Order: sequence, then C-alpha cells, then structure tokens
Amino acid sequence: SAVISQKPSRDICQRGTSLTIQCQVDSQVTMMFWYRQQPGQSLTLIATANQGSEATYESGFVIDKFPISRPNLTFSTLTVSNMSPEDSSIYLCSVEAGGQTNGYTFGSGTRLTVV
Amino acid sequence: LAKTTQPISMDSYEGQEVNITCSHNNIATNDYITWYQQFPSQGPRFIIQGYKTKVTNEVASLFIPADRKSSTLSLPRVSLSDTAVYYCLVNTGFQKLVFGTGTRLLVSP
Repeated sequence: SAVISQKPSRDICQRGTSLTIQCQVDSQVTMMFWYRQQPGQSLTLIATANQGSEATYESGFVIDKFPISRPNLTFSTLTVSNMSPEDSSIYLCSVEAGGQTNGYTFGSGTRLTVV
Repeated sequence: LAKTTQPISMDSYEGQEVNITCSHNNIATNDYITWYQQFPSQGPRFIIQGYKTKVTNEVASLFIPADRKSSTLSLPRVSLSDTAVYYCLVNTGFQKLVFGTGTRLLVSP
C-alpha cells in the first residue's frame, strides 16, 4: 500500500506566522486529503486535493486560511496561515491505500503548537 | 455528520478478547465498513474492512450482521500495545472519510 512521508513532524510557531506542511507519497494517487485533529478529538477533514484543480474545502475551512497545493500526483502541501493558538492541532494527510481494499493510508502527522 | 456511533471508551486486561460494536443505521448499499487504529502521535492505521458476514485477518475479526446496521470489531487476546483509539467508518470507494468520536481502548496488566 501507499507510504506517506509527512514533514515537519512537529513545530512551534509564533502567532501571525505561517507554516507549510508537506506530504510526499511513494506512488501516484488521484486524491489527497488533509485533516486536522485537535487535542483529544477525532479527525476533521479540511479539504480534498486533486492534481490539476482547486482543492475542495469542507464547511468551516477556507482557502485563505489553509491554502493547498497539489503540483503532481505524488505531492501536496497545506499551509496554515496567520496562525493563532486555536490552530494548535495535529495536521494529517491521507491517500488511498491501494491494493485490494478501499482503505486509506495516513501520514504520521504534524504536531503544530502556536504560541 | 458522522455516520457511525460507537462507545467512547472501553477497558480491558491483557489476554482478554475485546469486542467493540459500532452502529451505522443509515449505511448505504455501496458502503464498506472499515476500522482504523490510532496510537498517540501517529496517524490512523487501517485494521480491517468488510461488507457483510465475517472477515478475519492477522490482527482482528470483523462481524457484520445481515442487516449491516452494525458491526463488531473483535481483538483476540489483547496486549498493552493494543491501547489505542479505534475508529469505525463507513464509506463508498475512494471518498472523503467522516470520523466519529472513536473508542478509546485501555488495556491494563
């Protein structure tokens, strides 16, 4: 199944700054998904990124705050812009696992702390 | 809105069998049932997937009754390392996943 390399694994950032998170997949995938997981909570989908088109954002998430790039079929970035302490979360990317199942593979996550 | 309901938490002891039940009353004909495991500071990991009846792999078994409105993940002889959050999801093919609250399993010595 697909393997994802996500970085950075963690970062501490000053409020008002931006952080770009990268996900590299070892195979070509059509869709990549970006999730946020707030402390002690479940995962919430931020957006779906298809190569060659604008990302589709879920309710409550906007492109100006979370711009996404998808330059090719193996790579995507999520930027958390103009950060505030409320953005402190774990951010994860996910892709189709491939193989015989309809399952998904997740990156190890980026633990972001905004101070 | 999550399409599944599962217990918030469960406790067990090493060596016991653990069964986590998930309700998905509005499951669609084309939906599969998939379970994920998440350890702290890691992304969710695919455990098992099924459509109906019983599925077994090296990690777990998944029991799905005929009406498919619920499913049960069975973990045989749990160990301390099985302490994690377990998520039940229903989805059709490659589409966005909607995570529910998950079940926090604590395995004690």
